[in-house]
Amino acid sequence: DAGVIQSPRHEVTEMGQEVTLRCKPISGHNSLFWYRQTMMRGLELLIYFNNNVPIDDSGMPEDRFSAKMPNASFSTLKIQPSEPRDSAVYFCATPIPGLAGGPNTGELFFGEGSRLTVL
Amino acid sequence: TQLLEQSPQFLSIQEGENLTVYCNSSSVFSSLQWYRQEPGEGPVLLVTVVTGGEVKKLKRLTFQFGDARKDSSLHITAAQPGDTGLYLCAGGLYGGSYIPTFGRGTSLIVHP
Repeated sequence: DAGVIQSPRHEVTEMGQEVTLRCKPISGHNSLFWYRQTMMRGLELLIYFNNNVPIDDSGMPEDRFSAKMPNASFSTLKIQPSEPRDSAVYFCATPIPGLAGGPNTGELFFGEGSRLTVL
Repeated sequence: TQLLEQSPQFLSIQEGENLTVYCNSSSVFSSLQWYRQEPGEGPVLLVTVVTGGEVKKLKRLTFQFGDARKDSSLHITAAQPGDTGLYLCAGGLYGGSYIPTFGRGTSLIVHP
């Protein structure tokens, strides 16, 4: 398994443009997290999906942000319109299942992240 | 306010020195993870501690979970340049959906 795959790795765009970040989670996992990392605020949870359904989106900053998980092998995070304060590294992560098929322990596999710069 | 407070924020030491970093909270966690993140990459899981007072060792790294499951420490013996990175702790209350909350991390630089 290639792990969690994110694209693009780097994106530079101008304020007002739409940005779409993509994530391919590890196959067989039915949960997915989107986090945002900045120097000031560290790693912040944006949204959590379970069985492709958004369970907790309280971390999504505002209506400009939206996320979808149309199937178990793909998720997108969209920002429209983008603003300079959205500049950050965005990570996608999937849980590592607990032993013997038990409940997950909160351990996460992370992708390598998408570094977004909004000018 | 951060659920998990990590200290120190930054640490710059020489190769061979020992160090301890801390992760503290006023909340009780069912388990706590430590991750290391290198520049340009995502965090990578190092260890999970579950039981109050538990101690786990990973080569030169020793992890301890507080008796009350509110805090944890990471001790590195004889640090090496390869230990350089951002060390993050994460925890959450288990109950149906485990949603890990992260501290801001300790940025460690080990000079040769």
